[in-house]
Amino acid sequence: QSALTQPRSVSGSPGQSVTISCTGTSSDIGGYNYVSWYQQHPGKAPTLIISHVTQRPSGVPDRFSGSKSGNTASLTISGLQAEDEADYYCCSYAGRANYLFGAGTEVTVL
Amino acid sequence: QVQVVESGGGVVQPGRSLRLSCAASGYTFSSRAIHWVRQAPGKGLEWVAVVSPDGTDKYYADSVKGRFTISRDNSKNTVSLQLNSLRAEDTAVYYCGRDGEGGYHFDYCGQGTLVTVSS
Repeated sequence: QSALTQPRSVSGSPGQSVTISCTGTSSDIGGYNYVSWYQQHPGKAPTLIISHVTQRPSGVPDRFSGSKSGNTASLTISGLQAEDEADYYCCSYAGRANYLFGAGTEVTVL
Repeated sequence: QVQVVESGGGVVQPGRSLRLSCAASGYTFSSRAIHWVRQAPGKGLEWVAVVSPDGTDKYYADSVKGRFTISRDNSKNTVSLQLNSLRAEDTAVYYCGRDGEGGYHFDYCGQGTLVTVSS
């Protein structure tokens, strides 16, 4: 199984919205509503920002939202802030107790 | 609050073994599965293994199957990852993560422990 496909980088100015796509197949993203997203600042551990495609854990700002259409999941950051500059990883359950991550997307706040 | 702490990393020669530990607290340890996820230097995240809440079910990524073994001791609130037949490509920071509400993701993880496989 191949890793999920994410853009290498996206950028936006403060206050703008950016969307990160995560493309898989019908065997992973398309087959289950088990997509999660993680934020990772340099030198830090990853932190959960979205689970089950759209669910935002308590404490995560509501400017982060998730969605899915077919084999592609998306993470949108609305009202971009400086502290959102980080790497973002999508992850999907892929059946038979297996999980796939994307290669990560670097978000730059201009 | 939930806390997760990994330990046991270090420098090891190819072909040798290492045992990583994960200690979790702040919740009912035996109620949640535990995942291991790793990150090679400068690379992305890779799921490695998961153990069920009672320790009976264990699953592995193809890249480590047959070489790594996950286990847990609910009396000590710890999970172990035994790494055998180590290869250079196993060099990574290893994170332990608690399975989140509803499963299929991890919601808390520690700061990780670095494993370096080098001669």
